[in-house]
Amino acid sequence: SQTIHQWPATLVQPVGSPLSLECTVEGTSNPNLYWYRQAAGRGLQLLFYSVGIGQISSEVPQNLSASRPQDRQFILSSKKLLLSDSGFYLCAWRVEGVLLVYGYTFGSGTRLTVV
Amino acid sequence: GQNIDQPTEMTATEGAIVQINCTYQTSGFNGLFWYQQHAGEAPTFLSYNVLDGLEEKGRFSSFLSRSKGYSYLLLKELQMKDSASYLCAAVNQAGTALIFGKGTTLSVSS
Repeated sequence: SQTIHQWPATLVQPVGSPLSLECTVEGTSNPNLYWYRQAAGRGLQLLFYSVGIGQISSEVPQNLSASRPQDRQFILSSKKLLLSDSGFYLCAWRVEGVLLVYGYTFGSGTRLTVV
Repeated sequence: GQNIDQPTEMTATEGAIVQINCTYQTSGFNGLFWYQQHAGEAPTFLSYNVLDGLEEKGRFSSFLSRSKGYSYLLLKELQMKDSASYLCAAVNQAGTALIFGKGTTLSVSS
């Protein structure tokens, strides 16, 4: 079966510390993968997407970066966290269906609080 | 660019019908999605429209008019568990990612 895993579920980090969030998918190959952030009271903001290994598109300039070292692994990183990086981080993948119909499935999310 | 607008909040009572509207402006159109998100949880897929018209799935229906850049989500026979945020999302011009509106928080009361 096709599943998406994201961890950790919650994280409290001090300002200036590094960040690494990991997302992996199972049961598929060469998926399109995405990182979104949802700040308190705000909508889902697309941060990065990847259509393949080593291919990263950045949607919003900031102190975050993403990498795709393996086909089914997507990592979100930061060298130095800011208070404004607090939020709910969601990994998603695009599920291909029939007749070019597709959907986006989300991982369970990581709630990051920068203190 | 893309712009997606939906009301911030709506309230309704159990058993009622509610319609959540969404207007979008995109450079190209590749489909429109509706997601449900309960507080503290990840969004879950509700519907996908790529052609004009109404798509019905049980108590939930979604409508699309591409010429008007307009969609709505219709929820019938409301239940308390329908209290959640409802997110309208359009596929970006390149067809590579979903761009979300800010969501409509629906509160269902008894």
